Amino acid sequence: QKEVEQNSGPLSVPEGAIASLNCTYSDRGSQSFFWYRQYSGKSPELIMFIYSNGDKEDGRFTAQLNKASQYVSLLIRDSQPSDSATYLCAVNRGGSGGGADGLTFGKGTHLIIQP
Amino acid sequence: DAGITQSPRHKVTETGTPVTLRCHQTENHRYMYWYRQDPGHGLRLIHYSYGVKDTDKGEVSDGYSVSRSKTEDFLLTLESATSSQTSVYFCAISFQGTQYFGPGTRLLVL
Repeated sequence: QKEVEQNSGPLSVPEGAIASLNCTYSDRGSQSFFWYRQYSGKSPELIMFIYSNGDKEDGRFTAQLNKASQYVSLLIRDSQPSDSATYLCAVNRGGSGGGADGLTFGKGTHLIIQP
Repeated sequence: DAGITQSPRHKVTETGTPVTLRCHQTENHRYMYWYRQDPGHGLRLIHYSYGVKDTDKGEVSDGYSVSRSKTEDFLLTLESATSSQTSVYFCAISFQGTQYFGPGTRLLVL
């Protein structure tokens, strides 16, 4: 069974700094990687997905994938207090790549941005 | 919100009673999922559906059944609720390889 590991935190970062969130996964065959943000009492919302090794940027967010080392990370530049939330890393369960068989989630990292 | 609604949003029930949670989507997505979220465990897949009457088990399916008689509705049933099924239940759909979640149902089993 696939496992996804995240440091539960809390990770405390000053406002305006770069927040770095990390995730490792156990199945070398995993193909699709996702980052979700979840505010307390709310549902997870997608931030980014990444399929290929390297970096993928979207606004203040950058996802980094290293399949050889089996880790995926999320960088948040110019961190804002509104970025304070739990960040969930997920990988596809099955061999379909796109997550059609569902996702395996890490337990999440609680991020606190200090004003 | 990907056009997903869940009902009820909150429910309190007693051990041993049957409970059905409903997920409804308006955009004709083929794939639908039920997850539960618990402190210390994160989100875990219960069951999923890849079409009308086509369903499969996830990693924590014991004690749960599902049905999908229409594309837009995916039902999760707890045949005889137990306290260990107290959780937040999220429905999700898959769109272009990515999953989007409904607002969740908070279930308390006393």
